[in-house]
Parts: sequence; C-alpha cells; structure tokens
Amino acid sequence: EVQLVESGGGLIQPGGSLRLSCAASGFTVSSNYMSWVRQAPGKGLEWVSVIYSGDSTYYADSVKGRFTFSRDNSKNTLYLQMNSLRAEDTAVYYCASTLRRGSYQAFDYWGQGTLVTVSS
Amino acid sequence: DIQMTQSPSSLSASVGDRVTVTCRASQSISSYLNWYQQKPGKAPKLLIYAASSLQSGVPSRFSGSGSGTDFTLTISSLQPEDFATYYCQQSYSAPQITFGQGTRLEIK
Repeated sequence: EVQLVESGGGLIQPGGSLRLSCAASGFTVSSNYMSWVRQAPGKGLEWVSVIYSGDSTYYADSVKGRFTFSRDNSKNTLYLQMNSLRAEDTAVYYCASTLRRGSYQAFDYWGQGTLVTVSS
Repeated sequence: DIQMTQSPSSLSASVGDRVTVTCRASQSISSYLNWYQQKPGKAPKLLIYAASSLQSGVPSRFSGSGSGTDFTLTISSLQPEDFATYYCQQSYSAPQITFGQGTRLEIK
C-alpha cells in the first residue's frame, strides 16, 4: 500500500527556517516524480516544488531561492528545506506522487499534510 | 503562467442532482487537465486525469470532458459523500503546474 507521511511542521517566526519530511512506503521515491503542494488556511491549492527521478528540481516563483527540495533514497524520504520564511508561507504542506500516463501527469497519492505557521 | 478559472465558485445541489463544474484555461492546454475532490481537513483526491480518464477506484458517476481551453467535470447523480470542494489543475506547462481556485459543492 502506498503511503506518504509528512512531518516537521510547526510555528516559526518570520525569517526563520524549517525542514519538512515526507516518508514514503509502498513505492520508491527515486523512481517517481514527487511534489510539494501547499494550501493556505481557507484557500486553494498551490504547487510548490517538484523533484524528478533524475534529481532535477523546480520551484514556484513564490519560493524560488528560499526553498530546497531534496531526497534521501536510502530512507525513501523527501525533504523540503524552507528558509527566510514569510507570513504568506503559512499553509498545510502536502507531499504528493505523480501518476504518469505518457506525457500526462497528475497527483495520485497524497500525504495527510503538515501545518506550517509563520508568525511572531 | 497559465491561469485556471473555475465556475461557479460555489454551488448548492441536492442528492440525485446532475451537477457540472467548469474550468477554463488562459491558453490552450490540449487535454492536460486533472480534477480533484477535497473534503474538509483531508488531502485532495484525484478523480479525473487527462481531461476524461477516470482514476482507478473512482465511481463512474464522475466524468470529465473538454480540450483546449474549456473543460467540465460532471457528477451524474449526486451522492451525500460528493459534497466537497473540487479543483481543476493543468499539467500542460509542467513542471509549472497551476490549480483552479476551487468550486465548493454544498447541500441544498
């Protein structure tokens, strides 16, 4: 059974740093496209970042230069290092795996999410 | 960036109703359109990918159609468990993926 479990969220002051983790089971993260998607309280979904099976990473403009997506294949775990945090980064952060059918992609498995609150 | 606009933003309907949600892209995205369902406090769930392909395990009352810039999600006969928020998402410009703002489906 595929499972994604996020951790590491919490309350952090503006300008601070936090590292989120996403532990995967039932499949190998290194063979998949994996993403972080966030949702501010009461708002819609926003794609944050993706790591491809070849280790390439891409970021939304809103987090570029501040967030870093990485992967530990030995632990089958993903990480999102978040630096220079701002109030607008407050959200539930989900990790998600990507279903690929030819050139089509969609997020097929999601974790339960971890809440990051940036506030003084 | 490709902008995705859903309509309506909210919708009231009754059990057994046929419901349609619309999603419009700011430019042609071919069939690179997915639909998700999200219930309060839960992660989104994939319903439809590639505009019209039903994800495994999703009831057949859900269907998707469209291509280019205009897409629809249809629920043929609403069930109590279908009251949720629905999001469209484009993957045409992957890795720069964008979601619609959501459509909240409420009980009338």
